[in-house]
Amino acid sequence: EPEVTQTPSHQVTQMGQEVILRCVPISNHLYFYWYRQILGQKVEFLVSFYNNEISEKSEIFDDQFSVERPDGSNFTLKIRSTKLEDSAMYFCASSAGQGGQPQHFGDGTRLSIL
Amino acid sequence: DAKTTQPPSMDCAEGRAANLPCNHSTISGNEYVYWYRQIHSQGPQYIIHGLKNNETNEMASLIITEDRKSSTLILPHATLRDTAVYYCIVREYQGAQKLVFGQGTRLTINP
Repeated sequence: EPEVTQTPSHQVTQMGQEVILRCVPISNHLYFYWYRQILGQKVEFLVSFYNNEISEKSEIFDDQFSVERPDGSNFTLKIRSTKLEDSAMYFCASSAGQGGQPQHFGDGTRLSIL
Repeated sequence: DAKTTQPPSMDCAEGRAANLPCNHSTISGNEYVYWYRQIHSQGPQYIIHGLKNNETNEMASLIITEDRKSSTLILPHATLRDTAVYYCIVREYQGAQKLVFGQGTRLTINP
């Protein structure tokens, strides 16, 4: 069964550094998402992306964050100048989009900011 | 905020059916009910979704009341591997609509 894959599984970065989290969505999906989950808290929506542009973003997704689909298969989340509070699990998801088709999630990248 | 209400925790014996309730009294006509689960800190796993009819797949059954204000997820023969946090989410069926996660129900399957 096709699945969403995320790399790396764990990323350790010094505060202030830039980090790029990578995702390969399911191949025929058109809608892409990033969510995050701080340890012990709820899964929170960050951003949705369709047709090469952001569809919706949350208040969390400020100027420090950006997303890109650099080619036909990858979807990336870039965090510039990371802060301690960016430490979290980051989940990528994708969906076919039409007719209520569900989002499918990857297993996440654990981002640790030191 | 999440538009659903779920009990914070439930227990079920291994091999028995686990019935997880969800209230979504403000659901609108173009919103589906989705169920996901999260085992430890893994990514949320899609289970099932429905609009107004009952649905069944290889993982579970979804029973939606006629007024659509509540639903029940049924795991027919729970195993220890079904121990997880289960999320009931309502979401519009069109386009890139986000999922809004609540606290979910922590289901513990006991041997």
